[in-house]
Amino acid sequence: QVQLVQSGAEVKKPGASVKVSCKASGYTFTSYGISWVRQAPGQGLEWMGWISAYNGNTNYAQKLQGRVTMTTDTSTSTAYMELRSLRSDDTAVYYCARVSYSTESFDPWGQGTLVTVSS
Amino acid sequence: NFMLTQPHSVSESPGKTVTISCTRSSGSIASNYVQWYQQRPGSAPTTVIYEDNQRPSGVPDRFSGSIDSSSNSASLTISGLKTEDEADYYCQSYDSSNHPSWVFGGGTKLTVL
Repeated sequence: QVQLVQSGAEVKKPGASVKVSCKASGYTFTSYGISWVRQAPGQGLEWMGWISAYNGNTNYAQKLQGRVTMTTDTSTSTAYMELRSLRSDDTAVYYCARVSYSTESFDPWGQGTLVTVSS
Repeated sequence: NFMLTQPHSVSESPGKTVTISCTRSSGSIASNYVQWYQQRPGSAPTTVIYEDNQRPSGVPDRFSGSIDSSSNSASLTISGLKTEDEADYYCQSYDSSNHPSWVFGGGTKLTVL
């Protein structure tokens, strides 16, 4: 079955960087995009950006421009999201989701990775 | 850019019908598909409606979606409410002015009591 499995929880200090992985299985990785979405504690969903697994093209949310980088490794069907210069308000659960070009929808989602930024 | 506005919370009794709205701030609601996601506590979101009114396999037909151009809004309707439907629901739509990007509504907490 189609599945996205993310890396485990991280605790980082302010100013550090974090890199979250998202391993895909059950479908042709390069036929879909991957989006990253985060959810701060008790808050709603925030779209962070998108990467084409076909050619690596990206588009990031304006508020994260300059701090986020999304990449893929097609040899392992894995997507990565790196966020730099972490602040306390970056504390959130980070999700990856497969993006269908035809329906514009996100399905399925990874299980989520909690990133805690604390001194 | 546009915003999607949802009510913060709704509540209804088991067996009843509830409708959650999602209003687009600018541009036509019909210009891009609307999706609806269900998120139970501690879990990742799952799709309950895609392409305005399509149900993924496995989603019961108690869930339905629609759009209304006159109010520039989308709606998620859940009939025959069950306690298991209690969750947060998010609408989402593609933003074609910043290709490709997506916008989420703020989410609606559905309480079934």
